[in-house]
Amino acid sequence: DSGVTQTPKHLITATGQRVTLRCSPRSGDLSVYWYQQSLDQGLQFLIQYYNGEERAKGNILERFSAQQFPDLHSELNLSSLELGDSALYFCASSVGGLGTEAFFGQGTRLTVV
Amino acid sequence: DAKTTQPPSMDCAEGRAANLPCNHSTISGNEYVYWYRQIHSQGPQYIIHGLKNNETNEMASLIITEDRKSSTLILPHATLRDTAVYYCIVRVGTSGTYKYIFGTGTRLKVLA
Repeated sequence: DSGVTQTPKHLITATGQRVTLRCSPRSGDLSVYWYQQSLDQGLQFLIQYYNGEERAKGNILERFSAQQFPDLHSELNLSSLELGDSALYFCASSVGGLGTEAFFGQGTRLTVV
Repeated sequence: DAKTTQPPSMDCAEGRAANLPCNHSTISGNEYVYWYRQIHSQGPQYIIHGLKNNETNEMASLIITEDRKSSTLILPHATLRDTAVYYCIVRVGTSGTYKYIFGTGTRLKVLA
């Protein structure tokens, strides 16, 4: 158990809909990272937050957005969903300092039908 | 961003050492090398990381060349449960803005 909690574990929704994925980081971790992993693909970095502020962006679509709240949990919002958005979405957290490691949650499997 | 190159797949006999190479020739002086593994579709599991010196923990050893352009992850006594995709990552950014950019990894199969 990495200490990073993601909910829900599974999500099935229709095209055009909007969903919210939630991530609770490890206690004391200030940084949260979101990744997308499509079928048989590598992990694509989406976005990173540090202590409530967006700090780094990767290949995140405009239909996707995220935020980190004062209690440090984070949400990833996916809207106008398309079939191609079906993927595993992982959240990771870290203290954020030099030489520290990130720990990943078990992911949310999103299926768009 | 620094990129890493890994062989797409490797086999290793159970009980033998598994040596997984990684090339990161464009790494900058203050960028760390991290190794993670992913078993099936589970969340990536942290293994080890290092900057310049060799590192060892309960899971593995990390050997970094003196010029830091490559590294090797060593699983000393591979078991069937070590079958996974292993990712070598160069973490880029600065404090508070780090990014862990995953490549395609090495699919390690441990054979009985």
